Amino acid sequence: DVKVTQSSRYLVKRTGEKVFLECVQDMDHENMFWYRQDPGLGLRLIYFSYDVKMKEKGDIPEGYSVSREKKERFSLILESASTNQTSMYLCASSLTRGSPDRSGNTIYFGEGSWLTVV
Amino acid sequence: KQEVTQIPAALSVPEGENLVLNCSFTDSAIYNLQWFRQDPGKGLTSLLLIQSSQREQTSGRLNASLDKSSGRSTLYIAASQPGDSATYLCAVKGSYIPTFGRGTSLIVHP
Repeated sequence: DVKVTQSSRYLVKRTGEKVFLECVQDMDHENMFWYRQDPGLGLRLIYFSYDVKMKEKGDIPEGYSVSREKKERFSLILESASTNQTSMYLCASSLTRGSPDRSGNTIYFGEGSWLTVV
Repeated sequence: KQEVTQIPAALSVPEGENLVLNCSFTDSAIYNLQWFRQDPGKGLTSLLLIQSSQREQTSGRLNASLDKSSGRSTLYIAASQPGDSATYLCAVKGSYIPTFGRGTSLIVHP
């Protein structure tokens, strides 16, 4: 089975700290995504990557950056954490459309990282 | 821009009922549609994936249908159980990026 692992489930950080959220997938997926999820706002895309060293801004990239040095790892970076970045962060991965795959390009999610910025 | 709407936003039913969750989308040019379940404080778990060429998919007590031309999908849950209580989200994929609905929060009470 595909596994998407988010290394930190719960974090508490101070305002102004640099925060790294790590995500690793074990199925050689090209596409990886970072979302944040807030009550009443649903899932909002922060960044996505369709290949190593490639990244594209999503709907809410301000205050965030990402790194994809290896295919299996996609990191979300908060350069200077602020209280309005307190949220649940979800990482996901999928194969590129058109790739032969019995799962038909299913999107797989990690368990989520709860970040509190104080 | 693709928009995905899920109705109802919340649903509370007694155990044993058959129920239908709805997902509608504005752009019918999609590759697939996926239904997820999310338990409180957890990530999303994939339930069913329907390719654009398919009409439905079944897994146990779950059946998902897709009518691409009308921009609609339904998730049918048979004989609901308290363990089915969760938020159910649908996502449509027309390119690299899936578009998610805001989910239907389901409570099944004993």
